[in-house]
Amino acid sequence: DTAVSQTPKYLVTQMGNDKSIKCEQNLGHDTMYWYKQDSKKFLKIMFSYNNKELIINETVPNRFSPKSPDKAHLNLHINSLELGDSAVYFCASSPFETSSRGETQYFGPGTRLLVL
Amino acid sequence: KNEVEQSPQNLTAQEGEFITINCSYSVGISALHWLQQHPGGGIVSLFMLSSGKKKHGRLIATINIQEKHSSLHITASHPRDSAVYICAVTGNQFYFGTGTSLTVIP
Repeated sequence: DTAVSQTPKYLVTQMGNDKSIKCEQNLGHDTMYWYKQDSKKFLKIMFSYNNKELIINETVPNRFSPKSPDKAHLNLHINSLELGDSAVYFCASSPFETSSRGETQYFGPGTRLLVL
Repeated sequence: KNEVEQSPQNLTAQEGEFITINCSYSVGISALHWLQQHPGGGIVSLFMLSSGKKKHGRLIATINIQEKHSSLHITASHPRDSAVYICAVTGNQFYFGTGTSLTVIP
């Protein structure tokens, strides 16, 4: 059973489209995260949610909006996609808010987004 | 300057060699993480440290809080250890190193 799952695994789309990436964790964790890994393999945190509440919101364009219907899901909606949005997006979860308690994070397999 | 610096950036080793990857950071932290990213792209959390030393199989991670430095050691390296190893720190924010690409040659 996959602990942290993401769908889709690959996403190819045109500029200007709106797309969503879904993330689900079955670990009972309180906190979920979205990361972006750019073409140079540099990881950067985008958002963190703890019990459905936004904890971290790094400087990302407001075209990116996280949605957490319950604490097991954190979906990422991207509006008006741009070429520079092409990257790998990783979802992760941890038992507590990592920044305060330093808990291990569990990563999803990643979603490879290509904007044409 | 990045808040987390790793060295070396690239590392090639012969199978069986002892490998060390270093991580230095310049911010206050509550924990340091070592992550492994496989060639296929998947990320696995190897260690989470806030002090001292941890060992898991052939992997050992140490941290010196006073010196703001951590090392990841791999004993008896194997080609399947080939991956990118990423150091990350958590405190008020998350900071990631740029990764060390390790290739172990049979």
